[in-house]
Amino acid sequence: DIQMTQSPSSLSASVGDRVTITCQASQDISNYLNWYQQKPGKAPKLLIYDASNLETGVPSRFSGSGSGTDFTFTISSLQPEDIATYYCQQYDDLPPTFGQGTKLEIK
Amino acid sequence: QVQLVESGGGLVKPGGSLRLSCAASGFTFSDYYMSWIRQAPGKGLEWVSYISSSGGTIYYADSVKGRFTISRDNAKNSLSLQLNSLRAEDTAVYYCARGVAVAKLWGQGTLVTVSS
Repeated sequence: DIQMTQSPSSLSASVGDRVTITCQASQDISNYLNWYQQKPGKAPKLLIYDASNLETGVPSRFSGSGSGTDFTFTISSLQPEDIATYYCQQYDDLPPTFGQGTKLEIK
Repeated sequence: QVQLVESGGGLVKPGGSLRLSCAASGFTFSDYYMSWIRQAPGKGLEWVSYISSSGGTIYYADSVKGRFTISRDNAKNSLSLQLNSLRAEDTAVYYCARGVAVAKLWGQGTLVTVSS
C-alpha cells in the first residue's frame, strides 16, 4: 500500500493566518490526491480533489497544489470555523490510503 | 435529499458478530462504487472495504479479510457490512461512503464497540 505522510501532526495558528499542511506519498501518485476536513464528532468532508480542484461549495480560502510525491494544502486566512483535523488521501493505487491527519487549533 | 444513513452499530463481545447497514437516498445508488471506512477512537481513517456498482469487484483491508463481508442490494439502495469474529481493535466508528477514489458523500457513522 502507498504510505502517506502528513506534517505537521498538529498546528496552532491565529485567526487570519496563512496555514500550510504538507503531504508526502511513498511513491509517485500523479495528482490523485484528495484533502478532507473532519470536525469533532462529524464525518469527513471533501474539500479538494485531484490535488487542486475545489469541491463545490467549499470556500475559496482553501487550496491545494502539488503532483508526484509532494503536496500542499493551504488555508489563506484562517477562520474560527476551520478548526478541525485535515487528512490527505491518495487514490493512485488501491486501496486508497490516508495520511495520519493534521489537527488544527486556534492560538 | 442526497444522503447515506448507517445503522447497526453497538456493543459486542470479542468473537461476536454484527451487521451494519447503510441506506442510500437521493441518487442512483446502482451507479456508484460504495465503501466502508472506519475510525478508531482518537485515530485516523482506514479504508475497510469497497464494492463495485454491480458487486463484481470487492476489496478488503488485510486487517479484516476473512472476517468481514461487504454486500449491496441495488434494488433496495442498501449497502451492508457483516462483521464476524470481532476483536477489540475493530472498535471504531464505521462510515459508509459513496465512491472509492473520491468520497464525496459520507454517512454520519455508526459506532462499533468490541469489549467484554
